[in-house]
Amino acid sequence: SQQGEEDPQALSIQEGENATMNCSYKTSINNLQWYRQNSGRGLVHLILIRSNEREKHSGRLRVTLDTSKKSSSLLITASRAADTASYFCATPIYNQGGKLIFGQGTELSVKP
Amino acid sequence: SAVISQKPSRDICQRGTSLTIQCQVDSQVTMMFWYRQQPGQSLTLIATANQGSEATYESGFVIDKFPISRPNLTFSTLTVSNMSPEDSSIYLCSVEGGVKGLYEQFFGPGTRLTVL
Repeated sequence: SQQGEEDPQALSIQEGENATMNCSYKTSINNLQWYRQNSGRGLVHLILIRSNEREKHSGRLRVTLDTSKKSSSLLITASRAADTASYFCATPIYNQGGKLIFGQGTELSVKP
Repeated sequence: SAVISQKPSRDICQRGTSLTIQCQVDSQVTMMFWYRQQPGQSLTLIATANQGSEATYESGFVIDKFPISRPNLTFSTLTVSNMSPEDSSIYLCSVEGGVKGLYEQFFGPGTRLTVL
């Protein structure tokens, strides 16, 4: 079963706008990761936030984590057409090594 | 970061046949993971493959349907056996990387399988 849910399922914005995606999870976590998938290809690791961190930045990406609400958000600022992709959150399964559980994903479309 | 390749990148197969997907990593890794992504869905872990031991399968996946080989630390194969249209999916392999204990994963480009 999936660890979490993401919303929205689909998001369509104009270039230059910001895009915010949310992820909720069910169990205690060591960290939460965000991945991007272009057109059904392989996933690319974007950013990882540890359970003791509240916010993390990487370029135009900003991730927040609220462990009390078991939720995370990914903000992409000043979006570009090249940001069009599916975005997934994922969490390692506690005490099961490197296994990841993925959220349902948000399909982002950025229109030029 | 690891560089991972998969073969084939896509295939169209007939019902009842089998397809073997190869995953090659450019460095030695302990664990490799195989995922399935059904159309419009998220990723679901099929199994974890450790070199020198039997693969560990997740609930809902069995060795007879998805046999896995892991002959060395840089290579693994996943076979989709006796295929049906429901097996049409993207199959991805991945390996761990980054800081030890954080379990970041690096993914191959995927194999898009269509079963007619």
